[in-house]
Amino acid sequence: SQTIHQWPATLVQPVGSPLSLECTVEGTSNPNLYWYRQAAGRGLQLLFYSVGIGQISSEVPQNLSASRPQDRQFILSSKKLLLSDSGFYLCAWSLGRVEEKLFFGSGTQLSVL
Amino acid sequence: LAKTTQPISMDSYEGQEVNITCSHNNIATNDYITWYQQFPSQGPRFIIQGYKTKVTNEVASLFIPADRKSSTLSLPRVSLSDTAVYYCLIGGATNKLIFGTGTLLAVQP
Repeated sequence: SQTIHQWPATLVQPVGSPLSLECTVEGTSNPNLYWYRQAAGRGLQLLFYSVGIGQISSEVPQNLSASRPQDRQFILSSKKLLLSDSGFYLCAWSLGRVEEKLFFGSGTQLSVL
Repeated sequence: LAKTTQPISMDSYEGQEVNITCSHNNIATNDYITWYQQFPSQGPRFIIQGYKTKVTNEVASLFIPADRKSSTLSLPRVSLSDTAVYYCLIGGATNKLIFGTGTLLAVQP
């Protein structure tokens, strides 16, 4: 069966520090991969999605970037964090079929202080 | 890109049936309608998916009218543990899966 791993679960970082969140999927090949962010009490904001290695689509211009160095690995990065980057970050995958179903990781709660 | 509109919140009592409606006026021909449930500090979890008419599984039913411009998630006999945010998501025609604001369902004893 397929599983998705996301780490760390919580992270506290100072303003201006770098960020690297990693997500890996097991049990499937060539998944679509997604990064979402959820601010406190708000909905899910799509940040990036990827349909293959090295293929990244950005939905929200900001100081975050994403990379997909391997088929089942998705990394969210920042060179310098802002206070507004705080939130709950979720990685998700899908099979890329017309009848899309998203499967989410457990999330990373990021606090930028 | 299909945009969805849902009520921000709903209240219910244990044992009642709850119906949450989502509007998606510009749904594309190839789009499916999928509903997710999210508890605090967790990722959303798939509940049910449909394309047209009615779909039922062990936890919910999904009603989709012929024009597909809306859909209704029906939760039978809710319990306190059904308190969560419910999202409808329209997608399939593209890989860009954007969630709406969701509906916070509060179930009271």
